Amino acid sequence: GESVGLHLPTLSVQEGDNSIINCAYSNSASDYFIWYKQESGKGPQFIIDIRSNMDKRQGQRVTVLLNKTVKHLSLQIAATQPGDSAVYFCAEQYNQGGKLIFGQGTELSVKP
Amino acid sequence: NAGVTQTPKFQVLKTGQSMTLQCAQDMNHNSMYWYRQDPGMGLRLIYYSASEGTTDKGEVPNGYNVSRLNKREFSLRLESAAPSQTSVYFCASRWSGGETQYFGPGTRLLVL
Repeated sequence: GESVGLHLPTLSVQEGDNSIINCAYSNSASDYFIWYKQESGKGPQFIIDIRSNMDKRQGQRVTVLLNKTVKHLSLQIAATQPGDSAVYFCAEQYNQGGKLIFGQGTELSVKP
Repeated sequence: NAGVTQTPKFQVLKTGQSMTLQCAQDMNHNSMYWYRQDPGMGLRLIYYSASEGTTDKGEVPNGYNVSRLNKREFSLRLESAAPSQTSVYFCASRWSGGETQYFGPGTRLLVL
């Protein structure tokens, strides 16, 4: 069945470094992808999204890259800060109605 | 705007008890969703409501029922709780003209 998976379940980075969180998806028909940040005890918070007709999209300190050839999605966080420590989820959507398929999540730990 | 709100924040049930989880959004969104989140796993869709008056099953609907009370409110009912339903439950909503789902803070449910 369809699945969205993450290559690295945990990632530890030094404050100020750039972080890269990776995600693989299996459904080539997926046309929308989204990254969420979830802090402990809270609900997922939208970070950035990208449609399948784009390869790259930038936000404030974050960039999402989409490689449809290898069905790979990545989230880049520039100048990582302690407040970026959280679990990051990618999700894909492949039909109308907004049903998202989530990956397991990657825990990002930022060392001061 | 409060966004998406959920009640209660935390609940302990005995096996066989019933309860209803409440969700409300004040963003005038058409679509609403219920997910569960278990340790080490991403969010899984239980039920969703594409618009007021409609509900559909998601990935893991067994043991649950839902009611789209009006455009603002979408409730999730456990008729006879089981320990396997111990989880964190998240409600989300989405505007019909967009793709992004916005999440509530979650309800932590423990079934003994």
